[in-house]
Amino acid sequence: EAGVAQSPRYKIIEKRQSVAFWCNPISGHATLYWYQQILGQGPKLLIQFQNNGVVDDSQLPKDRFSAERLKGVDSTLKIQPAKLEDSAVYLCASSLNTGVGETQYFGPGTRLLVL
Amino acid sequence: AQRVTQPEKLLSVFKGAPVELKCNYSYSGSPELFWYVQYSRQRLQLLLRHISRESIKGFTADLNKGETSFHLKKPFAQEEDSAMYYCALRVPSGGSYIPTFGRGTSLIVHP
Repeated sequence: EAGVAQSPRYKIIEKRQSVAFWCNPISGHATLYWYQQILGQGPKLLIQFQNNGVVDDSQLPKDRFSAERLKGVDSTLKIQPAKLEDSAVYLCASSLNTGVGETQYFGPGTRLLVL
Repeated sequence: AQRVTQPEKLLSVFKGAPVELKCNYSYSGSPELFWYVQYSRQRLQLLLRHISRESIKGFTADLNKGETSFHLKKPFAQEEDSAMYYCALRVPSGGSYIPTFGRGTSLIVHP
């Protein structure tokens, strides 16, 4: 089966600019996750969707970050305006559902550098 | 709030030596625990989960609720085990499960 797809793979922007990342999960996967991974740290969950509803967004900086998952398939994560500290790898993952023992499948990530 | 602690940032061993990557968690309920691995230039992927009680690539991990630990072990390390290892915890919340990852341990196995 095809894996989780993300684009772009790399992005360089200046602070105060906006940027958007796209994720296409594995077909049939109801749950989609966006993580931020700063260099030297583990992935930090930003937002979790179940179909097109938000399950958890407690760690999403809502003053500048937004995410949507229209039609419960693809998802877009946006940052506006970007700050230097947003430089990180943004990982998208999906799972069949959110039940016990469910495995997450990760995309390759988008590496963002904010100058 | 739940937390996952991986105390070692780097673990360096020689081929054939035993390996133990430590993971401690803080959560008052019954957790789900996982180990994920990221090999060089590859995606993060599941290595094993505690509910399966399985051995994958020679690795095992036992959940110790008394010590709130889920250490990853392998009796004889191989060079191909060199990778980043992340311990992850999932806790129930509002009908779903919310994941938390540790900061990761880089394992280097020398020939």
